Amino acid sequence: DIVMTQSPSSLAVSAGETVTINCKSSQSLLYSGNQKNYLAWYQQKPGQSPKLLIYWASTRQSGVPDRFIGSGSGTDFTLTISSVQAEDLAIYYCQQYYDTPYTFGAGTKLELK
Amino acid sequence: EVQLVETGGGLVQPGRSLKLSCVASGFTFNNYWMSWTRQAPGKGLEWVASITNSGGSTYYPDSVKGRFTISRDNAQNTLYLQMNSLRSEDTATYYCTRDSGGFDYWGQGVMVTVSS
Repeated sequence: DIVMTQSPSSLAVSAGETVTINCKSSQSLLYSGNQKNYLAWYQQKPGQSPKLLIYWASTRQSGVPDRFIGSGSGTDFTLTISSVQAEDLAIYYCQQYYDTPYTFGAGTKLELK
Repeated sequence: EVQLVETGGGLVQPGRSLKLSCVASGFTFNNYWMSWTRQAPGKGLEWVASITNSGGSTYYPDSVKGRFTISRDNAQNTLYLQMNSLRSEDTATYYCTRDSGGFDYWGQGVMVTVSS
């Protein structure tokens, strides 16, 4: 199974700051056939279902603000949130869909400082 | 507007069975793989099952393989999860998801509690 390791597990930020969440996979998520990384990022606010933010490691889902930026390739990935707003306080998960069993990181909780 | 509406959750005793349903609308159901993902109370996300758009192939993690069965009725735009031999560790909110480069739409979730 592909293990997804997220860091940090929690992060306290002030509004307007830029934050970086890391996600490392135990094997490469880059498929040579199409040069795509099978990595997604989700946001889950309290009491809500998860919401897809980023897929193919760096493609923003429709309607997601451009302050959310996904980057990385192979085994190392990053979600950057520039100028954090109060509405961004949530838990963020990375997920690999390169191979079954699809696996998620343990999550990063973004809190207000 | 894409909508996924899960039903069928509830309280069930260990060892018993339960069947979840997810009615899809707002998109061409038979064009998409579909999945179930769960979240135990206060915990992270765990993928439970996936099914191809035709229903011809299914996939499971070891934690539910042999106990859970995913299926679909494309004529009724409905996804199912048959859960047998339920255990306390299956207690979770179960989400129906549409698969398209990750899970791009999620239902509101349905709670399953396994307890005597």
